[in-house]
Amino acid sequence: AQSVTQPDIHITVSEGASLELRCNYSYGATPYLFWYVQSPGQGLQLLLKYFSGDTLVQGIKGFEAEFKRSQSSFNLRKPSVHWSDAAEYFCAVGPNYGGSQGNLIFGKGTKLSVKP
Amino acid sequence: EAGVVQSPRYKIIEKKQPVAFWCNPISGHNTLYWYLQNLGQGPELLIRYENEEAVDDSQLPKDRFSAERLKGVDSTLKIQPAELGDSAVYLCASSFNRDSEQFFGPGTRLTVL
Repeated sequence: AQSVTQPDIHITVSEGASLELRCNYSYGATPYLFWYVQSPGQGLQLLLKYFSGDTLVQGIKGFEAEFKRSQSSFNLRKPSVHWSDAAEYFCAVGPNYGGSQGNLIFGKGTKLSVKP
Repeated sequence: EAGVVQSPRYKIIEKKQPVAFWCNPISGHNTLYWYLQNLGQGPELLIRYENEEAVDDSQLPKDRFSAERLKGVDSTLKIQPAELGDSAVYLCASSFNRDSEQFFGPGTRLTVL
């Protein structure tokens, strides 16, 4: 069965420090991969996505993610965290039906806190 | 350009009462999604519409939940009767088509007492 695991429920980093949020997926083939961010009281916003090609994907707000097929991982990174990055982050997978995207399956999320 | 609009933003009802949520997608978006987000969880798809057709409602509890998108634009999700376990955030999202980026609304937070 398809699934997404985000091992860290809550992470706290200092402002200016680097960040890595982990995501592992279980799927029979290469899926489409996404990272979303959700601020309190807001809907989800797409940070970046991987469909194919270069395994290092650049997104908005200075985020990037790397797809590692051998590890079934799609970890999100940012070199220097800003206080405004405090939010909840969701990894999602979408089945790749020969180029057509299926329904998204979300992980449980990682809450990021940023300390001054 | 307006994003996905949902109303109400908050709703408190007693169990066994009916409740309805409304969603207006981004103009021109043909695909509309309703998600359920329980506390501490990621969103789970309830139903997906392509225009006015519900093409995937396999996760919708049809004994108490219903949805409609009559003219292929805005949509309503209804629960009747509501149960305590229905307390959650109900998210609506839309996309130009099923392969395009999904844009999410702010959600409706439902509390069932």
